[in-house]
Amino acid sequence: EIVLTQSPGTLSLSPGERATLSCRASQSLSSSYLAWYLQKPGQAPRLLIYGASTRATGIPDRFSGSGSGTDFTLTISRLEPEDFAVYYCQHYGASPRVLTFGGGTKVEI
Amino acid sequence: EVQLVESGGGLVQPGGSLTLSCVDSGFSFSSIFMSWVRQAPGKGLEWVSYIYSGGSTYYADSVKGRFTISRDNSKNTLFLQMNSLTVEDTAVYYCAGGVTRHYFDYWGQGTLVTVSS
Repeated sequence: EIVLTQSPGTLSLSPGERATLSCRASQSLSSSYLAWYLQKPGQAPRLLIYGASTRATGIPDRFSGSGSGTDFTLTISRLEPEDFAVYYCQHYGASPRVLTFGGGTKVEI
Repeated sequence: EVQLVESGGGLVQPGGSLTLSCVDSGFSFSSIFMSWVRQAPGKGLEWVSYIYSGGSTYYADSVKGRFTISRDNSKNTLFLQMNSLTVEDTAVYYCAGGVTRHYFDYWGQGTLVTVSS
């Protein structure tokens, strides 16, 4: 079963700065099955990126995803105040049919 | 547009049972892959169970044999029957759905389940 490790656990940045979040898989996985979510306090998660690099509907272009194999990255080019939240990567496994989340990265001011 | 609303959470004693519901007020429920995802207080997201549009079901090892996912497409409703609950099952339970099985486009607001004596 694939394990997703996100780093860093916490990222302390200022508005306007660039954020780089990492998601590392315990074994190589298909980029098609890698997604990223944002979760603000007290809210449900929101889909940001799917297929490792495709932005979901309504997601601004300051968010970008990249990577392949075991290493994936979410980049926020210029942080806006509303971007300070927790970010999760997620993988869908075809065999076995399980879904895995990473532990999350908190982006804080 | 899929809009998900969960209900059924509450306080239950260890060993007890609870059934969660999730209603989709949109118009495409039958074709959506649906899942339950939970989040323990102060913790990350944990996938619980999946039910495909065709009815196939899958479970996390932590709940296999205790939880049952089902759906009633005629009522646009997703269910999670939870038995033999333990304190480790305490969490906010989200229903989540996707047009594919690979990720979740839609999320409910969550319902809190507290297992405590």
